[in-house]
Amino acid sequence: DMKVTQMPRYLIKRMGENVLLECGQDMSHETMYWYRQDPGLGLQLIYISYDVDSNSEGDIPKGYRVSRKKREHFSLILDSAKTNQTSVYFCASSPRQNNQAPLFGEGTRLSVL
Amino acid sequence: GDSVTQKEGLVTLTEGLPVMLNCTYQTIYSNAFLFWYVHYLNESPRLLLKSSTDNKRTEHQGFHATLHKSSSSFHLQKSSAQLSDSALYYCALRIPPEGGNNKLTFGQGTVLSVIP
Repeated sequence: DMKVTQMPRYLIKRMGENVLLECGQDMSHETMYWYRQDPGLGLQLIYISYDVDSNSEGDIPKGYRVSRKKREHFSLILDSAKTNQTSVYFCASSPRQNNQAPLFGEGTRLSVL
Repeated sequence: GDSVTQKEGLVTLTEGLPVMLNCTYQTIYSNAFLFWYVHYLNESPRLLLKSSTDNKRTEHQGFHATLHKSSSSFHLQKSSAQLSDSALYYCALRIPPEGGNNKLTFGQGTVLSVIP
């Protein structure tokens, strides 16, 4: 069953703490994405990964970094989280072909207090 | 740069009336793909429609859209709204790999609220 899995689903952190959001997929997709969703702003691209250790900044990378050491896993790291990083974060994956729509995970709701 | 615009943030309709959600885009790539995603609360955004073919109607689950490259538009339509259509709808643009980045750019999203 094709699936993108995000862990954890809910997370509460204090300002200044480090945050690790994990994403996994079982389809051996080359391309993976991290987005954040905020009301009125839609889904904004944080980082895109083309394969293992091949990552590129998206539109809003500041304050975030990523890691992809295996094709199946793509992590989003917030070093010293800020309150304005409170959001819902979505991971997605797709084959490299342009005609394949990315498949999304269920999201991680992060609150930074 | 590449962009997608969904001008309506909220569309409220009475059940049974037709639906039209607007989407326009900008890109230099003639073979870019356009997508509509639907996002229900506490679920994953999921694909509703996709197209890269000019002037060809694409349909799924009662919704349809036609990509018009001349006007850079990909509006989502349905003949009769149902209560279960209430959700957040995203239009998205995917740049081809040969464009250098395979990026998927979303519009701001339109909340469709269908009332009895």
